[in-house]
Amino acid sequence: AQSVTQLGSHVSVSEGALVLLRCNYSSSVPPYLFWYVQYPNQGLQLLLKYTSAATLVKGINGFEAEFKKSETSFHLTKPSAHMSDAAEYFCAVTYNYGQNFVFGPGTRLSVLP
Amino acid sequence: NAGVTQTPKFQVLKTGQSMTLQCAQDMNHNSMYWYRQDPGMGLRLIYYSASEGTTDKGEVPNGYNVSRLNKREFSLRLESAAPSQTSVYFCASSGGRGVVNTGELFFGEGSRLTVL
Repeated sequence: AQSVTQLGSHVSVSEGALVLLRCNYSSSVPPYLFWYVQYPNQGLQLLLKYTSAATLVKGINGFEAEFKKSETSFHLTKPSAHMSDAAEYFCAVTYNYGQNFVFGPGTRLSVLP
Repeated sequence: NAGVTQTPKFQVLKTGQSMTLQCAQDMNHNSMYWYRQDPGMGLRLIYYSASEGTTDKGEVPNGYNVSRLNKREFSLRLESAAPSQTSVYFCASSGGRGVVNTGELFFGEGSRLTVL
């Protein structure tokens, strides 16, 4: 079965510091990969997605992620954290658009002043 | 420009009561989903509907039923609520024109359900 792991349920960074949120998937076949963000009391919204084009994907709000097949990883980064980045971040995979998306457990990002 | 609309946003039930969560999307999407979100567990798929007229079980279907009423609407029913069903429920949709699916999920704002 597909699974997604996110290392670290809670990550804290200082404002202006690098953000690195980790995501690994379990499959020998590269899936479609997504990062979603959830602000308090809201639904999830798409940050970025990988669909087998460029391995470095740029998303909204300055985030980007790099697909590394050899490491089965899709880590999310942002060079300089902003207070408004504080939220929960979910990595997700699917092998069939329109069918099952599998979500990781989420990483809560705190940004300290 | 509503996107995905869920009702109600909050509900408190007693054990054994029934209720239906309603979801509607106005993006002409083919696929619709119901997820539940619990702390530390991410989102888990309850049921999904790949197209109008079809529904399939997800990871945690027990205790739930769904109806894809038409292309726009996908409801989730709890026939006899249990405390283990206390959760935040999200409806989502995906799909572009025709059968082309961009892969992105569009979420509603969630329905917070408490079962006492």
